[in-house]
Amino acid sequence: AQSVTQLDSQVPVFEEAPVELRCNYSSSVSVYLFWYVQYPNQGLQLLLKYLSGSTLVKGINGFEAEFNKSQTSFHLRKPSVHISDTAEYFCAVSFLYGNKLVFGAGTILRVKS
Amino acid sequence: NAGVTQTPKFRVLKTGQSMTLLCAQDMNHEYMYWYRQDPGMGLRLIHYSVGEGTTAKGEVPDGYNVSRLKKQNFLLGLESAAPSQTSVYFCASSPGLTNNSPLHFGNGTRLTVT
Repeated sequence: AQSVTQLDSQVPVFEEAPVELRCNYSSSVSVYLFWYVQYPNQGLQLLLKYLSGSTLVKGINGFEAEFNKSQTSFHLRKPSVHISDTAEYFCAVSFLYGNKLVFGAGTILRVKS
Repeated sequence: NAGVTQTPKFRVLKTGQSMTLLCAQDMNHEYMYWYRQDPGMGLRLIHYSVGEGTTAKGEVPDGYNVSRLKKQNFLLGLESAAPSQTSVYFCASSPGLTNNSPLHFGNGTRLTVT
């Protein structure tokens, strides 16, 4: 069965520090990978996606993620976070020719000054 | 451009009552989805639709029904609400298969069942 695991439920970090939010998936077929961000009292917005090609994907707001097929991971990184990055981040997986997304449980990023 | 609009934003129901959540999108998208969001569980798919007049079950369909009579609208119904259905409900739409088309989300409906 396909599944998505976000390894950290909460990640506290100081402003201007780097951050990595971890995501692992399990699947026996080709996958497409996404990170979504949810700000308080809002819906989810697409941060970045990996469909094919270069394994390093750049998204909005300075975030990037790297697809590692051998480790079945798609970790999200930012070299220097801001207070405004405080939000919940969701990793999601779609499967070849799929019409559904499977979401991880989410990671709350808390940026402190 | 409104995008995806959900009504109502908040609702409190007593156990056994019924209600319908409305989702409307103005982007002419074929695919529409209903998710529920619970703490520590991420988003779980309730039902989805791949076009007008079609619906399909997702991961957690029990206790819910849906209808897609018009392309722009996707309704989620609770016939007899239970406390376990207390959650935040999100509607989303996309123009095509999720491998190529990101989901566009509404701002959610917070439902409490007492």
